[in-house]
Amino acid sequence: GIQVEQSPPDLILQEGANSTLRCNFSDSVNNLQWFHQNPWGQLINLFYIPSGTKQNGRLSATTVATERYSLLYISSSQTTDSGVYFCAVGFILTGGGNKLTFGTGTQLKVEL
Amino acid sequence: DTGVSQDPRHKITKRGQNVTFRCDPISEHNRLYWYRQTLGQGPEFLTYFQNEAQLEKSRLLSDRFSAERPKGSFSTLEIQRTEQGDSAMYLCASSLGGGREKLFFGSGTQLSVL
Repeated sequence: GIQVEQSPPDLILQEGANSTLRCNFSDSVNNLQWFHQNPWGQLINLFYIPSGTKQNGRLSATTVATERYSLLYISSSQTTDSGVYFCAVGFILTGGGNKLTFGTGTQLKVEL
Repeated sequence: DTGVSQDPRHKITKRGQNVTFRCDPISEHNRLYWYRQTLGQGPEFLTYFQNEAQLEKSRLLSDRFSAERPKGSFSTLEIQRTEQGDSAMYLCASSLGGGREKLFFGSGTQLSVL
């Protein structure tokens, strides 16, 4: 099956710092999504980004599908950014549904 | 838009008992998914519905697991004869369909099998 590797596995930042999270995948995919899982377990969809660049506030993401990687940029980090960041690659199923394979995750802690 | 709702939030059961979880997707979403997440891992796909039709099942979904979506709205996931290895967070997600495949997840049901 497809391999989805994320780096770094753990990251500690001071509030206000910037960071880049990386997601590498081993095969062609139909789409890619980034999620934030907060300390209470809720998964929040940050981006649906099969290719190109998108921005949402302090977050932006870039996917280069031909080179099989995606990057998530967090600027001016805040303590509420703490949690686990997952990338997930998607394959279209029978009937058009989207099966996601999740990466290994990056555990982020933002300190005051 | 109230988001994806799951019930219960937590379930503790004894080995061998049956449990059932409920998921209410975002109202206009016609695709519904079940995932399972164990500690320290990312979620893993279990099954998916297009309206009331169950179109895909993972090999992770043993014969003890059954999922339904009777009227194309809410869904239930039942686990029969629970085992300790079933302990996990069970997550439900939905998407709009029609090429709009951004998934929105519920808060999950945390199952503990004693």
